Amino acid sequence: DAGVTQSPTHLIKTRGQQVTLRCSPISGHKSVSWYQQVLGQGPQFIFQYYEKEERGRGNFPDRFSARQFPNYSSELNVNALLLGDSALYLCASSWRHPLGSEQYFGPGTRLTVT
Amino acid sequence: TQLLEQSPQFLSIQEGENLTVYCNSSSVFSSLQWYRQEPGEGPVLLVTVVTGGEVKKLKRLTFQFGDARKDSSLHITAAQTGDTGLYLCAVLGGTSYGKLTFGQGTILTVHP
Repeated sequence: DAGVTQSPTHLIKTRGQQVTLRCSPISGHKSVSWYQQVLGQGPQFIFQYYEKEERGRGNFPDRFSARQFPNYSSELNVNALLLGDSALYLCASSWRHPLGSEQYFGPGTRLTVT
Repeated sequence: TQLLEQSPQFLSIQEGENLTVYCNSSSVFSSLQWYRQEPGEGPVLLVTVVTGGEVKKLKRLTFQFGDARKDSSLHITAAQTGDTGLYLCAVLGGTSYGKLTFGQGTILTVHP
């Protein structure tokens, strides 16, 4: 079975631009979470979606938004990019609500903002 | 202030050596997880510990949860080059439902 897939793999954007990152969860998984991992640090929680509804939000500005589609795939949008948004963006899926079920991570999207 | 403090931040050892990585907090947790992340990949769950004093073994890796459920350790016996990677401890829950909170990680490099 395919694992969590994310696209694109790498992305280079300019300050002020907008970016959309995509995630496809493992088949049958209904929950998707997004994390930001800055180089040399552990991942930081951004959003969690379950059954197409936002169920959790981390300490990130409103420039960050996300949604989950009927097929449980998800998009993360970041507006007005800053240099500090350069990071690895990870998506994780679980088959039911993350509390009590293992989260499986994708390989991430490496975003570079210049 | 980090909820989970990991030490050391960096570890560089020779193949065959033993090592221990620590994850400490002032908070009590119902469970704690350890992940390994290799370059270009997402974190992969190694183990979940739930009971104070619990010891779990995964081949050459031994995980222990502190008696007070505030800290944990990961011990690797006879390290191999394939053990190289970023080791992360994490706890589930907190202020946001379903959120995993990670420590800053320990970067382990095992030299042949």
